[in-house]
Amino acid sequence: EIVLTQSPGTLSLSPGERATLSCRASQSVSSTYLAWYQQKPGQAPRLLIYGASSRATGIPDRFSGSGSGTDFTLTISRLEPEDFAVYYCQQFGSPNTFGQGTKVEIK
Amino acid sequence: QLVESGGGLVKPGGSLRLSCAASGFSFIDPWMTWVRQAPGKGLEWVGRSRGKKDGGTTAYAAPVKGRFTISRDESKNTVYLLMNSLKTADTAVYYCTTEGLLHLAAMDVWGQGTTVTVSS
Repeated sequence: EIVLTQSPGTLSLSPGERATLSCRASQSVSSTYLAWYQQKPGQAPRLLIYGASSRATGIPDRFSGSGSGTDFTLTISRLEPEDFAVYYCQQFGSPNTFGQGTKVEIK
Repeated sequence: QLVESGGGLVKPGGSLRLSCAASGFSFIDPWMTWVRQAPGKGLEWVGRSRGKKDGGTTAYAAPVKGRFTISRDESKNTVYLLMNSLKTADTAVYYCTTEGLLHLAAMDVWGQGTTVTVSS
């Protein structure tokens, strides 16, 4: 089973700042099979990025994904008030696995 | 759209069947997945049902294998999660999702979730 480790656990930033979230895999993951999700309190997760770098339908271009192999990154170029949430990376496989999440909170 | 139902309070050792009704897309081919989230915790993949063209087979996470069963009724556009021998550790919000419907190898349409509480 591939273990995904996200860092940092919490990111305290102000609106307008840039957020950089990391996801490290215990073994190499095909870029095709790496996704990122956003979850707000009381809501279901929402797909942001698939294939490591492709934005899902309707996702604004301030969200971008990059990386390959064992190291992947989600970047939010300028934080909007609605971006403060928990973010999860996930790899597709059998089993699928998720990282433990990074909380982006208002500083 | 996906709408889950069937959650509730059940005693340890008991059973529960969750339903996930799909609308707005053909139900035959998409892979359907269940994901759960324990209170205050992260996301945990539970299992999947592959689409018909991919054999219609199922796969499960280790903590639920042998206790949980995913099935689908194409005539009702519904996927089910039958949970047996429930443990307190199974307490969670359960989400059903499509997998790869619109975006390759990603869980792209999510239901609103249904809450399962296992407690005596």
